[in-house]
Amino acid sequence: ELKVEQNPLFLSMQEGKNYTIYCNYSTTSDRLYWYRQDPGKSLESLFVLLSNGAVKQEGRLMASLDTKARLSTLHITAAVHDLSATYFCAVDNFGNEKLTFGTGTRLTIIP
Amino acid sequence: ETGVTQTPRHLVMGMTNKKSLKCEQHLGHNAMYWYKQSAKKPLELMFVYSLEERVENNSVPSRFSPECPNSSHLFLHLHTLQPEDSALYLCASSPRTVTYGYTFGSGTRLTVV
Repeated sequence: ELKVEQNPLFLSMQEGKNYTIYCNYSTTSDRLYWYRQDPGKSLESLFVLLSNGAVKQEGRLMASLDTKARLSTLHITAAVHDLSATYFCAVDNFGNEKLTFGTGTRLTIIP
Repeated sequence: ETGVTQTPRHLVMGMTNKKSLKCEQHLGHNAMYWYKQSAKKPLELMFVYSLEERVENNSVPSRFSPECPNSSHLFLHLHTLQPEDSALYLCASSPRTVTYGYTFGSGTRLTVV
């Protein structure tokens, strides 16, 4: 059974600081997705990582994938309040388009 | 608006009621999904439909009954629910190619009283 773990579960950080969210998964997969969820809202797609070594950046967020280590990271640079949300990673379960989600990381940016 | 529309946005129902959740997408996707999101739990996959055929039923109690009449519409019929079924129910669709992942609807917040 595929397991996806994120850490930390909760992260409170000051504006302007850098931090990294980690996503580990238990079985072989080379497709990983990051989503953002604002309170009471749906999930918004952020990044799609499709190969080992993939790196994608959008604004202050950068995601990477290491399929050998079964690890993805979401790096936040110079955080701003608008980035406060819950971030989920999800792994494609054996290429059949069924995504298994991590528990989420609730990020709070403090002014 | 993501292209996946869910109705209603909020639903309160008694344990003896019967209600239905609706999901509609006009993105040309041919796979649709129901997920349950409870507090302090990961998103749980409930059902998967691919080309209108159910390909996954993830040990979901029979009080939840999905229906996919065509590739654009997905329903979740609810009857004799329990209070622990209160959650955010999310519908998603995908083109069944790996590049895009899922597109989610805004969800239905269900409260069972």
